[in-house]
Amino acid sequence: KQEVTQIPAALSVPEGENLVLNCSFTDSAIYNLQWFRQDPGKGLTSLLLIQSSQREQTSGRLNASLDKSSGRSTLYIAASQPGDSATYLCAVVAASGAGSYQLTFGKGTKLSVIP
Amino acid sequence: EPEVTQTPSHQVTQMGQEVILRCVPISNHLYFYWYRQILGQKVEFLVSFYNNEISEKSEIFDDQFSVERPDGSNFTLKIRSTKLEDSAMYFCASTIGQGGDTQYFGPGTRLTVL
Repeated sequence: KQEVTQIPAALSVPEGENLVLNCSFTDSAIYNLQWFRQDPGKGLTSLLLIQSSQREQTSGRLNASLDKSSGRSTLYIAASQPGDSATYLCAVVAASGAGSYQLTFGKGTKLSVIP
Repeated sequence: EPEVTQTPSHQVTQMGQEVILRCVPISNHLYFYWYRQILGQKVEFLVSFYNNEISEKSEIFDDQFSVERPDGSNFTLKIRSTKLEDSAMYFCASTIGQGGDTQYFGPGTRLTVL
């Protein structure tokens, strides 16, 4: 059974710092990995999707990497801003064999960027 | 930009009552999902739906749950007899194709069972 772990559970940084969030998964047989942002009491906003054949994806100040063989992904946020404060979730898609591609989520890293 | 919508945003119900949570997926998407998030816990998969039938369901999705696509736009989750432990945020998601595609999530329905 796929398990996704995110470390650290919480992170507080001063504005302007670069930071890295970590995600690990137990089964390397994945289709893709998605990073989401969740604001308190809100839905999930997709940030980046990395296919299993890719090593990284970039969007603006965000860069996500994937090392499938070691079961790890990182989300790098450059020049952090107070508006980046949120919980960041990592999720993987592993084919279940039944034609379904559900996401398995980590518990998230709660990021606080201090002005 | 197209988005997944969900109604209501908050539903309060008494234990034992039936609730229907509604979702409108993105119009050209073909795969639909329900997930739930109990406060402070991980987002968990409930069920996936394609071509008018369930593709897969988790062990959480027992006989009290059902899903339906009653028309070309809505996708519903019904809980027949709610329990206290059903209190959670319920998210609908959709994707245009299979495993390689981004899943887009709605804003969620917060269900409170009293």
